[in-house]
Amino acid sequence: DAKTTQPPSMDCAEGRAANLPCNHSTISGNEYVYWYRQIHSQGPQYIIHGLKNNETNEMASLIITEDRKSSTLILPHATLRDTAVYYCIVRVEDYGQNFVFGPGTRLSVLP
Amino acid sequence: DTGVSQNPRHKITKRGQNVTFRCDPISEHNRLYWYRQTLGQGPEFLTYFQNEAQLEKSRLLSDRFSAERPKGSFSTLEIQRTEQGDSAMYLCASSNQGNPYEQYFGPGTRLTVT
Repeated sequence: DAKTTQPPSMDCAEGRAANLPCNHSTISGNEYVYWYRQIHSQGPQYIIHGLKNNETNEMASLIITEDRKSSTLILPHATLRDTAVYYCIVRVEDYGQNFVFGPGTRLSVLP
Repeated sequence: DTGVSQNPRHKITKRGQNVTFRCDPISEHNRLYWYRQTLGQGPEFLTYFQNEAQLEKSRLLSDRFSAERPKGSFSTLEIQRTEQGDSAMYLCASSNQGNPYEQYFGPGTRLTVT
């Protein structure tokens, strides 16, 4: 899998948008961008994924640059419960069956 | 649907002892994964089952580790002759072949080897 680069930590004020960046400059044409998060003492949780178009679901939005070398996960109105480690992963849609997690970004939502 | 469950949630053992963990996936999921996570790191893949067949094993899975999924439902992960370096959170996840994007993770089993 291609490697991703994320900032180790970020802060966000409660109620504001949290924008989490991810660089994946060596991404291949058939690799998707996935985002998972892990709240303290829980297993990781799927958030969203995309190939090249921007995606939105009830949890977040995913913005992928046109050259696909980077992406941003947006939590539109962060709450204290969004405090977690966020992982950006690139992977072929159904290759290898497992995800390769990096250290992620520790997001702290502050009151 | 109660999600992925893992037992026990915590295990403390002495070096050299054997331990076994159990994972019960979501009932209709045919894929099951084991990961290991150490403090401050993301989960690392250990092994993967599709139904009862173990299709992939990581190099992290030494000879002391063995995993089974005998009837394609629950799975067990056994560690023989535990070492202090085995101390970690062991996570189980499951997914449906028809929806490969989402892996549903259990709460994990935290192993401490003293």
